[in-house]
Amino acid sequence: SQELEQSPQSLIVQEGKNLTINCTSSKTLYGLYWYKQKYGEGLIFLMMLQKGGEEKSHEKITAKLDEKKQQSSLHITASQPSHAGIYLCGAAPFDQKVTFGIGTKLQVIP
Amino acid sequence: DAGVIQSPRHEVTEMGQEVTLRCKPISGHNSLFWYRQTMMRGLELLIYFNNNVPIDDSGMPEDRFSAKMPNASFSTLKIQPSEPRDSAVYFCASTYQETQYFGPGTRLLVL
Repeated sequence: SQELEQSPQSLIVQEGKNLTINCTSSKTLYGLYWYKQKYGEGLIFLMMLQKGGEEKSHEKITAKLDEKKQQSSLHITASQPSHAGIYLCGAAPFDQKVTFGIGTKLQVIP
Repeated sequence: DAGVIQSPRHEVTEMGQEVTLRCKPISGHNSLFWYRQTMMRGLELLIYFNNNVPIDDSGMPEDRFSAKMPNASFSTLKIQPSEPRDSAVYFCASTYQETQYFGPGTRLLVL
């Protein structure tokens, strides 16, 4: 099965700072999802990347997919307390069976 | 649309009791997934259905777990008998155009 490793596992940043979360796959990535989860709530879809080199942005969050490295990165610019939560990456193989990383817990200190 | 609906939102039960979790996917979505989330293991896929047919149940931990999808608008995940190690948040998700939409989850505590 495909395994996803996220780093760092937890992150504490000062409001206004930039940060990057990485997701590395043990197998070829056919596509990758990024989700955000608020504590005690369900997952909220952020974006999906399908092609090598693809980059997508949503508000202050940008994600890139590097197929050769089997890796994706999520970058948040000028972080805000509203960005706090758990960020999960999910691999999207062709058979729909999405598997997820353990998540990165982000805290933003005002 | 109301999104994926799960019930109950919280469940506290005693070891040995039967637990039934319910999910209503978003109308028009043809795939449905059941996940379990714990601090130790993160988010684990238990089973998924495509057009109401179970496709892969390799993630179901034991025979105590069973899932059904009698029609396109309803699915259940049953644990019988429940054990304390089953305590977790159980999520249901439905898929449209390769994007999964998650329900709010059911927080299960087995005492």
